[in-house]
Amino acid sequence: KAGVTQTPRYLIKTRGQQVTLSCSPISGHRSVSWYQQTPGQGLQFLFEYFSETQRNKGNFPGRFSGRQFSNSRSEMNVSTLELGDSALYLCASSLSSGTGVEQFFGPGTRLTVL
Amino acid sequence: KQEVTQIPAALSVPEGENLVLNCSFTDSAIYNLQWFRQDPGKGLTSLLLIQSSQREQTSGRLNASLDKSSGRSTLYIAASQPGDSATYLCAVSGGGSNYKLTFGKGTLLTVNP
Repeated sequence: KAGVTQTPRYLIKTRGQQVTLSCSPISGHRSVSWYQQTPGQGLQFLFEYFSETQRNKGNFPGRFSGRQFSNSRSEMNVSTLELGDSALYLCASSLSSGTGVEQFFGPGTRLTVL
Repeated sequence: KQEVTQIPAALSVPEGENLVLNCSFTDSAIYNLQWFRQDPGKGLTSLLLIQSSQREQTSGRLNASLDKSSGRSTLYIAASQPGDSATYLCAVSGGGSNYKLTFGKGTLLTVNP
């Protein structure tokens, strides 16, 4: 069974631009969560989508948004990029929503903002 | 608010040594605790998941324990190898947080040949 895939793997953008990252969950998984990883803050939860609906949201500004499609694939968008948005963005999928459900992580998208 | 702390932040050991990584969390009302491994610039690989009702889980040379009441978990690695060099992350689910997982900042392990 194929794992979680994320595209692109690497991105370089400049301040003020916007970016869209994509995540395809494991087949049959309906929940997708997004995390940001930086050296200073570590791994932080961004949001979770289940059945095309945002279920939970972390403490990030409104520039960070996402959506989920009917095939469970998810996209994350960051508008008006700032230098501090440079990070590894990880996507995780799970069979269902709810606390305590095991998640499986993708390889991440490395975003660099210049 | 759930907070997860991992000690030490970095650890360097000679090959063959047994070692223990520590993880503590502030709210004991968790659903489960998971240990991950992360190689530089890569995603997370799940090593062990311990449900809140369990005391420990084992996989090969790895053994993870959970003491929910005291808010602590340990990851024991037996007979360490250079290939074990990576960052090890502890994460909890639940515990007063609606976040899917709350992570510690990790322990960077280096196993020297």
